[in-house]
Amino acid sequence: DAGVTQSPTHLIKTRGQQVTLRCSPKSGHDTVSWYQQALGQGPQFIFQYYEEEERQRGNFPDRFSGHQFPNYSSELNVNALLLGDSALYLCASSLLGLAGLETQYFGPGTRLLVL
Amino acid sequence: DAKTTQPTSMDCAEGRAANLPCNHSTISGNEYVYWYRQIHSQGPQYIIHGLKNNETNEMASLIITEDRKSSTLILPHATLRDTAVYYCIVRVGYGGSQGNLIFGKGTKLSVKP
Repeated sequence: DAGVTQSPTHLIKTRGQQVTLRCSPKSGHDTVSWYQQALGQGPQFIFQYYEEEERQRGNFPDRFSGHQFPNYSSELNVNALLLGDSALYLCASSLLGLAGLETQYFGPGTRLLVL
Repeated sequence: DAKTTQPTSMDCAEGRAANLPCNHSTISGNEYVYWYRQIHSQGPQYIIHGLKNNETNEMASLIITEDRKSSTLILPHATLRDTAVYYCIVRVGYGGSQGNLIFGKGTKLSVKP
């Protein structure tokens, strides 16, 4: 049973460019959340997607956008990259059931370096 | 902001039990305690969660005080591979509430031979 997968593993971009990161959820999961982790810090919530819609959003600018596809996979897009966007980007998947807890399981992350 | 307080770092001898404390004095009745760990440069790994009863799984045990204002994660026989940052997170379950996890700085556990 495959866990959460992310691609690419590493990426180098220059300021002003745009980047797309991809995530495939764990089998059976329908919800994808994205987090940004700067060096030495804990992960920070960006947004969560469920039923192809953004369900909740953290304190991130509109340069950060996302998408969820019918197969539950997801993309994170960042426009007009800044040096401060350099971070580990984490995807977490979960099953948003009507009852019970939603436990999130994380992928290995994508390391983005903006030069 | 994170609703939990954890020590910045802890050491543990290999083979001994590692007891990681967490304070969550403002926890609400419908909030769960979650534990994740993150080994260097990898994604966080789910360990365990609980509401008010003590919980045990193949990885660890979670002891929650009766007033629910603090908890302890116990790794019964720590190995070198348990060296990681451990995060204690308080959050509500599903029910139209927040979908995100709020991470603090966690506890850096170093298991030494």
